[in-house]
Amino acid sequence: GAVVSQHPSRVICKSGTSVKIECRSLDFQATTMFWYRQFPKKSLMLMATSNEGSKATYEQGVEKDKFLINHASLTLSTLTVTSAHPEDSSFYICSALIGRGYTFGSGTRLTVV
Amino acid sequence: GESVGLHLPTLSVQEGDNSIINCAYSNSASDYFIWYKQESGKGPQFIIDIRSNMDKRQGQRVTVLLNKTVKHLSLQIAATQPGDSAVYFCAENYGQNFVFGPGTRLSVLP
Repeated sequence: GAVVSQHPSRVICKSGTSVKIECRSLDFQATTMFWYRQFPKKSLMLMATSNEGSKATYEQGVEKDKFLINHASLTLSTLTVTSAHPEDSSFYICSALIGRGYTFGSGTRLTVV
Repeated sequence: GESVGLHLPTLSVQEGDNSIINCAYSNSASDYFIWYKQESGKGPQFIIDIRSNMDKRQGQRVTVLLNKTVKHLSLQIAATQPGDSAVYFCAENYGQNFVFGPGTRLSVLP
């Protein structure tokens, strides 16, 4: 079946630094990928829709200069958390729409110290 | 809009009992539904889906029921096991839109 690989699974970074999270579709091409944020004991919150070859579409309230999304190829989308702060600590998940359903990455636990 | 950022409701069941997780969806035009399971620290995994022209679909130990009259979806897990402990999300699809429900945390008691 379709697999979405997300890397890294865990990352700890210092405040003020930037962190890049990668999401790859391994055996299919994904023109559209989605990035979610999930707080503890909360549901998925869609942050943005990543479109190959064009600008990402951000949900209301999500800072596009803070969360940079690049979808330069049909198999790779990246989310860069810039100038990270402790409040950016969260679980970030990517997904790709394949057929009529989503396939999710395994998530990235970001801790900003 | 999506029901996002809500605090997850919790369902606790005894090991071996059957679990029923409910989901109310929002759009009567939705024609495809999916249940996902998310274990702690992992991404959601597909469990089972159902199209709107069906009212029941069975998988291995799981059954999804769809009641379009009241826009209600349920996931039944037979003989619940400790490995079933997770958060379960429903998702509805209409047109280009996929909307996730708020999720339910299932805790399996020994």
